[in-house]
Amino acid sequence: RKEVEQDPGPFNVPEGATVAFNCTYSNSASQSFFWYRQDCRKEPKLLMSVYSSGNEDGRFTAQLNRASQYISLLIRDSKLSDSATYLCVVNINYGGSQGNLIFGKGTKLSVKP
Amino acid sequence: DTGVSQNPRHKITKRGQNVTFRCDPISEHNRLYWYRQTLGQGPEFLTYFQNEAQLEKSRLLSDRFSAERPKGSFSTLEIQRTEQGDSAMYLCASSFTSSNIMRAEAFFGQGTRLTVV
Repeated sequence: RKEVEQDPGPFNVPEGATVAFNCTYSNSASQSFFWYRQDCRKEPKLLMSVYSSGNEDGRFTAQLNRASQYISLLIRDSKLSDSATYLCVVNINYGGSQGNLIFGKGTKLSVKP
Repeated sequence: DTGVSQNPRHKITKRGQNVTFRCDPISEHNRLYWYRQTLGQGPEFLTYFQNEAQLEKSRLLSDRFSAERPKGSFSTLEIQRTEQGDSAMYLCASSFTSSNIMRAEAFFGQGTRLTVV
């Protein structure tokens, strides 16, 4: 089983749609969680951290379910500019120090007019 | 602050040659990561440093790969006797982490695209 697994996509949605991405992780010691966005042939850029209580940033909402080892990202009112690949990232904290960051393969989103 | 800087941006080399890439992290960041990414895949972890100490190496990092961060600032990644399978984007990221910071976001450079012909 891969350490971080994501919906394979691609997701093709019309502008204004709501779309949700899922991610599961295998290591229960994983402590920190993030969503990154990556545009074609560009570097990944941090979209948002994921907090235990869930968090929202504008049209983006992230949720964490530690019991199920599951993370989600919800995008409301999608825009053409949201088209990108969304990467789920987890890391394991060793004795209070952040370990390496493990990336999923990413889910490609294409928002159409 | 200019962010994470990687050089060169592109490198074309013949099979069997050695190549070296450089990464300059964000100045106050003590953690530095190297990743490799191929088309359609997420970034694959290679290695990371805490200051000058190399704390973890992936099994992906064969004996042809070596990374250094001699003074805890910039880092180099060298690939010896390159193979066509080494063609990929090599990404560097940095973060600041401490025992008081349980969540440290990492920021990426623009990457070095390696093509082995």
